[in-house]
Amino acid sequence: AQKITQTQPGMFVQEKEAVTLDCTYDTSDPSYGLFWYKQPSSGEMIFLIYQGSYDQQNATEGRYSLNFQKARKSANLVISASQLGDSAMYFCAMRESGYSTLTFGKGTMLLVSP
Amino acid sequence: DGGITQSPKYLFRKEGQNVTLSCEQNLNHDAMYWYRQDPGQGLRLIYYSQIVNDFQKGDIAEGYSVSREKKESFPLTVTSAQKNPTAFYLCASSVGRGYTFGSGTRLTVV
Repeated sequence: AQKITQTQPGMFVQEKEAVTLDCTYDTSDPSYGLFWYKQPSSGEMIFLIYQGSYDQQNATEGRYSLNFQKARKSANLVISASQLGDSAMYFCAMRESGYSTLTFGKGTMLLVSP
Repeated sequence: DGGITQSPKYLFRKEGQNVTLSCEQNLNHDAMYWYRQDPGQGLRLIYYSQIVNDFQKGDIAEGYSVSREKKESFPLTVTSAQKNPTAFYLCASSVGRGYTFGSGTRLTVV
């Protein structure tokens, strides 16, 4: 079974609109961390936001926020006021306790149009 | 500036040849990783190392080998046993929950 599922292969959004990228995860570990990364066409991985399983509040970093619904095992990324530079691949990843490795989803390609 | 250097950025090899991808970090991180990325597949873990002279197989280790003789370096060898080696390879290192990725090597086998 996949540990990280991103069901949206591609998403389109107009500039200045908000967009939500979906991520569900599967773990029996009570302690885990969830990450979102952006990968532009150049290939580098840019860290966006982190949510720990015990964090009481949803994480926010500038225009990025994480809609964390623990009971539903979902960690959706919300990008507010999209910009043309937001066009990229977005990956959700998880790290379980006792491991340093990240498990990635298959990604969502976001295209922002003028 | 601290970071991870992967070289070369593009690599072409003939089928049946072994090839080694370089990964060097000056972040003083203990843990290092190799991921493979194929279109529509996300990143899949090949090997990882949490300390010098020790490494573990990831989900897709077959056809690959690594070494970790120095803290700064974690080279990946793609052997002729790897059936479909053409892919984008990313190296990373970490401390705590901070991960740093290299800019990747795109390997094409012809």
